[in-house]
Amino acid sequence: SAVISQKPSRDICQRGTSLTIQCQVDSQVTMMFWYRQQPGQSLTLIATANQGSEATYESGFVIDKFPISRPNLTFSTLTVSNMSPEDSSIYLCSVGAGRHNEQFFGPGTRLTVL
Amino acid sequence: AQSVAQPEDQVNVAEGNPLTVKCTYSVSGNPYLFWYVQYPNRGLQFLLKYITGDNLVKGSYGFEAEFNKSQTSFHLKKPSALVSDSALYFCAVRALNSGNTPLVFGKGTRLSVIA
Repeated sequence: SAVISQKPSRDICQRGTSLTIQCQVDSQVTMMFWYRQQPGQSLTLIATANQGSEATYESGFVIDKFPISRPNLTFSTLTVSNMSPEDSSIYLCSVGAGRHNEQFFGPGTRLTVL
Repeated sequence: AQSVAQPEDQVNVAEGNPLTVKCTYSVSGNPYLFWYVQYPNRGLQFLLKYITGDNLVKGSYGFEAEFNKSQTSFHLKKPSALVSDSALYFCAVRALNSGNTPLVFGKGTRLSVIA
C-alpha cells in the first residue's frame, strides 16, 4: 500500500489568486494522478504525472490553469491558477502502487474560492 | 473506452437490514474492479477489489461484492447495515492489463442508513 499526505487540507482563497497543493507519498511511485471532485459529484481526472516528464492532461484541463510538478518519485504539486468560484472543489492526489497497480488516495484538499 | 454506471444516486436502508449498492461496468478485456467509500470531509478509502478468482469478494467493514461477468456487474453488499455505513460509495474500473492507467469512477451512490 501507499500512504499519501496532502497540504493544505483546506483553504479559502480569493478570486484571481493561485494555490499550490502538495502531495507526498511514503514510497516511490511511477505514476501520480490528480483528481477533482466538485460538490456532490464524482471524481474527474485532471492529469497524470510521471516523474521526469510533463504531465498528461485530460480533456477540459490545461497546463496553464493547472500546472503540475513532479520533481521526484515521492512528491508532486498541483497549482490551481487564477482561481474562480467554479474551482471550488476537493482536489485529490492518487498513486498507483502494489502488485496490480492498485490506486490509493490522499485525504484531499478542500478548496473554496470566494 | 471504460465506463462505470451506478444507477442509484441515493439508497436508503433501515439499520440491520441488508444493503445493496449497484454497479455495472464496461471495459475491453478483463476488468479490475474497486469499491471505495468516502465519509464526510474525508478522502476515498479502499473497501475491496476484484482481480480474478472467486466471484464473491470480501472487504473492509463487513462489505462484500459479487462479480458477475455475464451481467457486467459488481454490486456492493452488506448483510446488516449500520448507521455508521452512511457515506458516499464509488465503484471504479480499469482493464486488468492496461498498465498503470488511472481508474474510471462511477458517479457515486449516497447510502443512508436509518436507525
